[in-house]
Amino acid sequence: DAGITQSPRHKVTETGTPVTLRCHQTENHRYMYWYRQDPGHGLRLIHYSYGVKDTDKGEVSDGYSVSRSKTEDFLLTLESATSSQTSVYFCAISVSLYNEQFFGPGTRLTVL
Amino acid sequence: QKEVEQDPGPLSVPEGAIVSLNCTYSNSAFQYFMWYRQYSRKGPELLMYTYSSGNKEDGRFTAQVDKSSKYISLFIRDSQPSDSATYLCAMTMLMNYGGSQGNLIFGKGTKLSVKP
Repeated sequence: DAGITQSPRHKVTETGTPVTLRCHQTENHRYMYWYRQDPGHGLRLIHYSYGVKDTDKGEVSDGYSVSRSKTEDFLLTLESATSSQTSVYFCAISVSLYNEQFFGPGTRLTVL
Repeated sequence: QKEVEQDPGPLSVPEGAIVSLNCTYSNSAFQYFMWYRQYSRKGPELLMYTYSSGNKEDGRFTAQVDKSSKYISLFIRDSQPSDSATYLCAMTMLMNYGGSQGNLIFGKGTKLSVKP
């Protein structure tokens, strides 16, 4: 298995609270990604990073921010969580944009 | 029209059957194609990665790409109950072609059940 961990693995929070999800890799891959997976929508890209402090938006970035201060860590922040952000969040890594992506185990987030 | 279409199933087959999973796509710029397997409550796991047209085989799995028809397939031979999972196709294009910056576009997945 690719060395990717996500924390927390499960979280229940209330509307309006800030939430930060962490992705940690031990593979030293340049690219890191945050996806959300919802029934009927599949996997959708939220944000990705192509290096330390280099990030870009994905398909569904509204309401989310990211930061990458070290190669191995990529943080996803929901500044003020809403019920529509209830989802399963996956982190992924890749060597380049054209190489295969390897996924973490996921974080199940429930916003009440 | 969605960029990537994948029949959600569910698809139920007996053990030992040959399984065919398919995706169609609309953007001819896609050049890199992947298949992922996702067990319930787990992260997607890469099964096959192919570039451009043709076949690629890995054990019981064969990935096929037909760029002229914008159609990709995953065949599973001698299917086992352990193959029961959701299968996701994914594809990407060259950077700066169509503005997607090479991001992966996923199908919604086909749920497969292999019965003993």
